[in-house]
Amino acid sequence: EVQLVESGGGLVQPGRSLRLSCAASGFTFDDYAMHWVRQAPGKGLEWVSGISWNSGSIGYADSVKGRFTISRDNAKNSLYLQMNSLRAEDTALYYCAKDIGITILKPNAFDIWGQGTMVTVSS
Amino acid sequence: DIQMTQSPSTLSASVGDRVTITCRASQSISSWLAWYQQKPGKAPKLLIYKASSLESGVPSRFSGSGSGTEFTLTISSLQPDDFATYYCQQYNSSWTFGQGTKVEIK
Repeated sequence: EVQLVESGGGLVQPGRSLRLSCAASGFTFDDYAMHWVRQAPGKGLEWVSGISWNSGSIGYADSVKGRFTISRDNAKNSLYLQMNSLRAEDTALYYCAKDIGITILKPNAFDIWGQGTMVTVSS
Repeated sequence: DIQMTQSPSTLSASVGDRVTITCRASQSISSWLAWYQQKPGKAPKLLIYKASSLESGVPSRFSGSGSGTEFTLTISSLQPDDFATYYCQQYNSSWTFGQGTKVEIK
C-alpha cells in the first residue's frame, strides 16, 4: 500500500525549532519529488517546500524561506522539514505529499498525501 | 506570484445535481492545473491533473476543462460521497492553491 506517515508535530513556543519527518512506503521513494503543504485551522492549503528526487533542486514559499529547511534521505525513504524561528502564523497541519514527477524544476501535481502532523506555535 | 481564485466559495446542491466550480488564474498557466477533494479531517485527494486528465480510480462523473486562465471542475451527478471542499492548484510556476469551494447539502 502506498503510504506517507508524518510525525514530529507538537506544541512549541515562538522562536523555537521543530523537525518534522515523513516516512514513505509502497513506492520507489527516490523516483519522485516530494513536498510539504500546510493548512492552518479552518483555512486553505499552502505549499511550503519541495525537493527533487536527488535533493538537487529545492524550493520554498516566501513565508518560510530562510527559516525552514527541507531534506530527504532516500536510503531511509524519509522526508524531513526542519523548522526554525517558529511564529504563531506557522500553526497548521503539515502534510507530506508525493509529486507525480521526479523534479521540482518541472512542477507537477501531488498524487499521494499523508494524514498530516499538527504544529502549534504558542507561548 | 500566480494567484488562484475559486468561485463560488460555498455551493449548496442536492444529490443528482450537476455542479460546476470555477477557478481563475491571475496569469496564463496553460493546462497546468489540478483539482483536489478534501473531506473534514482527511488529507486532500487528487481528482484531476493537467486540467482535464482524470486520476486513476476517480469516478467518471468528475471532469475538468479549461486552459490559460479559466478552468472548471464539473460533477455530472452529485453523489452523497461528493459533499466536500474542492481546491484548484496551479503548477505552472511553483504551486498555488485556490481558497477552496465547499459543496454542501441543500
